[in-house]
Amino acid sequence: DGGITQSPKYLFRKEGQNVTLSCEQNLNHDAMYWYRQDPGQGLRLIYYSQIVNDFQKGDIAEGYSVSREKKESFPLTVTSAQKNPTAFYLCASRTRDIGQGYTFGSGTRLTVV
Amino acid sequence: KNEVEQSPQNLTAQEGEFITINCSYSVGISALHWLQQHPGGGIVSLFMLSSGKKKHGRLIATINIQEKHSSLHITASHPRDSAVYICAGFTNTGNQFYFGTGTSLTVIP
Repeated sequence: DGGITQSPKYLFRKEGQNVTLSCEQNLNHDAMYWYRQDPGQGLRLIYYSQIVNDFQKGDIAEGYSVSREKKESFPLTVTSAQKNPTAFYLCASRTRDIGQGYTFGSGTRLTVV
Repeated sequence: KNEVEQSPQNLTAQEGEFITINCSYSVGISALHWLQQHPGGGIVSLFMLSSGKKKHGRLIATINIQEKHSSLHITASHPRDSAVYICAGFTNTGNQFYFGTGTSLTVIP
């Protein structure tokens, strides 16, 4: 079955360490997105990519980096520069057709201790 | 002020009740999505609307473009409907969603 796989589901890291969250899709979707969710707040866009080797900053890109070397993969690195990295991270993808909706991954809960 | 506002924030209902969750938005959108997030965190897309009304099982979603308002209705609610429901407006210009903060629904047997 096609879908988005995010791994791991739970991740613990020490403060000051970089950590990379995986997002893989087999839907042949062109666009991929990373969102962050904090308690009591809506999802906020970190980065998005519409095609391979191209990506754009979202509303809260500081302290994060991404790459899009393959259409299927859009990993997110949470760097030590991100001041409050503990959050729930969601990856999503969609086709270029505006009429089609998103597909979401199951999310990664990152806790920095 | 958020671009997308939902109400209520929390909702508790008895099994079998009819439930309505409201969503208002202040930005221009090309489509509005209703999403369901279960306690584990995973999100499922329920509906995508650009006009009118859609129905899937016991779920009904409506949108009024002129009033910039959408509603999600659940008929004959069931404890398995307990989840957070999120509305999100998709903007063509920004190529992104604006998300509401969600409505936490608990259906009691």
